[in-house]
Amino acid sequence: GAVVSQHPSWVICKSGTSVKIECRSLDFQATTMFWYRQFPKQSLMLMATSNEGSKATYEQGVEKDKFLINHASLTLSTLTVTSAHPEDSSFYICSAILHYNEQFFGPGTRLTVL
Amino acid sequence: SQKIEQNSEALNIQEGKTATLTCNYTNYSPAYLQWYRQDPGRGPVFLLLIRENEKEKRKERLKVTFDTTLKQSLFHITASQPADSATYLCAPTLGQGGKLIFGQGTELSVKP
Repeated sequence: GAVVSQHPSWVICKSGTSVKIECRSLDFQATTMFWYRQFPKQSLMLMATSNEGSKATYEQGVEKDKFLINHASLTLSTLTVTSAHPEDSSFYICSAILHYNEQFFGPGTRLTVL
Repeated sequence: SQKIEQNSEALNIQEGKTATLTCNYTNYSPAYLQWYRQDPGRGPVFLLLIRENEKEKRKERLKVTFDTTLKQSLFHITASQPADSATYLCAPTLGQGGKLIFGQGTELSVKP
């Protein structure tokens, strides 16, 4: 089956630093990937749609200058949380589309900002 | 605006019984609806997709119904097992480029 990986699985950083999270489709090419954020006991909230070779499309309320997304290849999208603050601490999950309606999710990255 | 509601309270059932989870949506007409399972600290795993012109879909012990008049989907797990314990998310989707909007999820606990 289709596998999506994320790296790192967890990261702890100091306030003000930047953190990069990678999302890879391991056995298929994905022209479109999505980034979600999930706070404890809440559902996944879509942050942005990442398209290979073009700019990401951000959902309303998501700061594009704070959450930088790069989709440089058909198997890799990166999310960089710039100048992270404690309120950015969350569970970040990516997904990739294999077929039109079928989405496969990564295992998630737990970010803790001290 | 689009609104999705799932049972907010956790569902506790006995092993072997049928679990039934509800997903209601308002203010839009999804082209299809997906159900996912999420375990703590993990990403969601796809279970089933049902289209607006389908009333029911089955996969092994899972059954999903889709009532576009009631704007509701029901998700059933028959002969439930403790391993079925997880949070189940529904995602009624318009079909625009694959974007998924999730409900808040229902936590299911199956006791032996």
